Amino acid sequence: KQEVTQIPAALSVPEGENLVLNCSFTDSAIYNLQWFRQDPGKGLTSLLLIQSSQREQTSGRLNASLDKSSGRSTLYIAASQPGDSATYLCAVNGGATNKLIFGTGTLLAVQP
Amino acid sequence: GAVVSQHPSWVICKSGTSVKIECRSLDFQATTMFWYRQFPKQSLMLMATSNEGSKATYEQGVEKDKFLINHASLTLSTLTVTSAHPEDSSFYICSARDGTSGSLYEQYFGPGTRLTVT
Repeated sequence: KQEVTQIPAALSVPEGENLVLNCSFTDSAIYNLQWFRQDPGKGLTSLLLIQSSQREQTSGRLNASLDKSSGRSTLYIAASQPGDSATYLCAVNGGATNKLIFGTGTLLAVQP
Repeated sequence: GAVVSQHPSWVICKSGTSVKIECRSLDFQATTMFWYRQFPKQSLMLMATSNEGSKATYEQGVEKDKFLINHASLTLSTLTVTSAHPEDSSFYICSARDGTSGSLYEQYFGPGTRLTVT
C-alpha cells in the first residue's frame, strides 16, 4: 500500500529565504507526482506535475525534483514571499487506477 | 482551461437530512471524476472514483449507501450525503480527469464544499 509522507509538517521562515519541502513515498511504481498548494479553507492549486520519466520541473520560483528509485521528491521555493504562506501537498499517481495518494502536507509560513 | 466547479461552496444542514454536492468540468469532458474528503488539519482522503455511465468505485471504509455518487454526463458528477450526521461535517473536494487530451492522467480540482451538519 502506497504511503506518502511529507517533512517537515510545519515550517516558518523569514521573507527572502530559499527553502526545500520534502516528500517521500514507499512504492516507487508511480506514474507521476504532483505538488499542490492549498490556502486555508480553499481547494487545491496545482503547482507542478512531474512524470515518472522526468527528473524535475520548474515554474517561476518553484522547482520540483523527482528521484523515483529512492522514493523522494523535493519542492524548492526560491526567494520566499509572504504570499507563499499556505499548505503544500504532494500526491503520487500509481497510474493503473489513476488514484492520487496525498501526503500529510507541510504548513509553510513566510514571515514579512 | 481545465476548470472544475463545485456547488454549493458551503452548506449547513440538520442531522438526518440529505445534501447534494455538484461537481462540474466547465471546459472539458471528464470521463472520470474523483471525490475526496478532508478533515481539519488533515490531508485529502479519496472516497470514490466515478466513471461516466457506470457505478462508482468506493474506497475501503466508505459507505456507498451513505455517499451516493452519480456521474450521468461527461461534465457532471454529484455526491449526495444521505442521512447526514455531525461526523460527516468535512470539506469535500472533487477532481476530474480530462479523458480526451494528452494530459497524461493529470487531475483538475474543484474549489471544495464545506459541509456542516448540526
